[in-house]
Parts: sequence; C-alpha cells; structure tokens
Amino acid sequence: AQTVTQSQPEMSVQEAETVTLSCTYDTSESDYYLFWYKQPPSRQMILVIRQEAYKQQNATENRFSVNFQKAAKSFSLKISDSQLGDAAMYFCAYRSAMLNNNDMRFGAGTRLTVKP
Amino acid sequence: EAQVTQNPRYLITVTGKKLTVTCSQNMNHEYMSWYRQDPGLGLRQIYYSMNVEVTDKGDVPEGYKVSRKEKRNFPLILESPSPNQTSLYFCASAFDGSYEQYFGPGTRLTVT
Repeated sequence: AQTVTQSQPEMSVQEAETVTLSCTYDTSESDYYLFWYKQPPSRQMILVIRQEAYKQQNATENRFSVNFQKAAKSFSLKISDSQLGDAAMYFCAYRSAMLNNNDMRFGAGTRLTVKP
Repeated sequence: EAQVTQNPRYLITVTGKKLTVTCSQNMNHEYMSWYRQDPGLGLRQIYYSMNVEVTDKGDVPEGYKVSRKEKRNFPLILESPSPNQTSLYFCASAFDGSYEQYFGPGTRLTVT
C-alpha cells in the first residue's frame, strides 16, 4: 500500500522569508495525484496545490510552489514571502489514478509557525 | 454557496450508544469520503463512495458503517462506539476521485 511521509513534525519561518516543507511517498504506480492541504486553527481543510504525476512541470499557485521529483518520490512545498496567515498544519496527500483504487493517503502533517 | 455540511459539530457520548454523523454536499459530486484525524497520524480514510449505492473500505473501516442512498448524503454510523473512536472526523466530496476534495467543517467526537 502507498504511504506518505512528512519527516518534519514542526517548522518555523520568519515573516516574509521562504520555507520548504518536505513530503515523500512510496508507490509502485506510475500515474497518481499529489496534493498539499492546509489546516488552520479553524480545522477547515483547504487545498493549497495539486500535482498530476504525468506532468513534469511543477505546479504553482501564487506564493506556493512544489518541487516534484518523480524518480525520488518527493513532493515538497515551498512557501515564499511567508505571511502570518500561513501558520497552520500542512498535509501532503497521495491518490492513485487507477480506476479500481480510489483511496487517499495523507501524511502525518507538519505544523508551520510564522514568526513576526 | 457550495459546501459540505456535517452534523453534529461536537458530540460526547458513552460506550455502546449508537450514533450517526450526517454529511451532505450540494455540489452534485460523485465522490464522497470519511476520514478520521488523530494527532501524529494525519488523516486516515474510513470509507469512500464513488457513487450512489457504491461504497468501499478505506484504511480504517473497523467499527464504522456508511450508506449512500442519495447522491448528496453520506452518513457515518457507529453502531457501538468505543473510546478508541474518539477523534476528529471529516467528510469530504469531489467531482471524482482525481479532483481536489472539499471538506466539511469536522465533527469532534468523544466516547467515554
């Protein structure tokens, strides 16, 4: 079964600086989807960014970008110009693209603190 | 407003007393799913449904039941709750499994 590992339980960053959150996954499949979700103190799960494995180009959403290394099975999230509102738990998630495999796997999460 | 709703938001109950957490979405999504979130473990999938009358087990289905009789609703049933089911529960929906999931606000369940 696929597994998702986030090796950094906690990270901190100074406001306006850049931080990178790590995520690795284990799979034998060639086609899949990867996601980063943000969970602020309100507990609401918010999609940050989505990457399709067949696309070589790294996904970008404003200040958020990913470094997708398929061979290394790595999917890190870079947050540029960090803001106080970025403080949250961040979860990396994996979903197979196979038609008969619809479960979704999440990592344990990384708690990001932003220092003013 | 497009949303996923869950009720109740908070629930304290006793061991063995059957309960149901409701989940409803108004986006006509095919895919719906239930997760539990525990510290240090992230979110783990309990059950998911690809369409009406189609449900399948996720990672941690033991002790839970679901049904999908209508497209918009996907209730989670705990027939005999136990303290190890104390957790934060999320319902989610998506156009299909490959798209981003929209999450409900969560239900904090405590079983004493």
